Amino acid sequence: DTAVSQTPKYLVTQMGNDKSIKCEQNLGHDTMYWYKQDSKKFLKIMFSYNNKELIINETVPNRFSPKSPDKAHLNLHINSLELGDSAVYFCASSQDRGTSGYTFGSGTRLTVV
Amino acid sequence: AQKVTQAQTEISVVEKEDVTLDCVYETRDTTYYLFWYKQPPSGELVFLIRRNSFDEQNEISGRYSWNFQKSTSSFNFTITASQVVDSAVYFCALGSYTGANSKLTFGKGITLSVRP
Repeated sequence: DTAVSQTPKYLVTQMGNDKSIKCEQNLGHDTMYWYKQDSKKFLKIMFSYNNKELIINETVPNRFSPKSPDKAHLNLHINSLELGDSAVYFCASSQDRGTSGYTFGSGTRLTVV
Repeated sequence: AQKVTQAQTEISVVEKEDVTLDCVYETRDTTYYLFWYKQPPSGELVFLIRRNSFDEQNEISGRYSWNFQKSTSSFNFTITASQVVDSAVYFCALGSYTGANSKLTFGKGITLSVRP
């Protein structure tokens, strides 16, 4: 059983489209995150949710909207995709505010053409 | 503000050489955690180690060892007798916990190439 699973693994889409990435964790963790890895491999947090409540929103354009229907799921919806949104998006989860560590999904490679 | 500096960007070694990856961090928190992750060419992030700020004991796990020095705000990672399978990008990260916020701040990563 995959602990943190993301779908899809690859996503190729045209500029201007709207797309979603789904994330599910089966670890019983109370906090979930989205991180973005750019073309230079730099990883930066975008959002975190704790028990379905938005905790961190790191100056991400409002075209990005996370949604957490329950504490096991955190989806990322992106409107009006731009070329600069091309990146790898990682979902992660943690318990105890991360003091026990973070578990990452395998990433979703988004390519906007 | 949290900051992690990995000054080395790319390192190339020949198999069986030892290699040390440097990590320097900045934080005003008294309680924090430090992590190392490996990202092989397949792209996933593989957890290697977590160390809390109160535990300065060095750790060894097989060919891997970590040296945490609070006095110099460093958490360096050494691979002994490197192997081709060690080729990857290695990230050092700082875990910060402010109220309900918790997040990882990553360094820019070090690309390690181990040549046969």
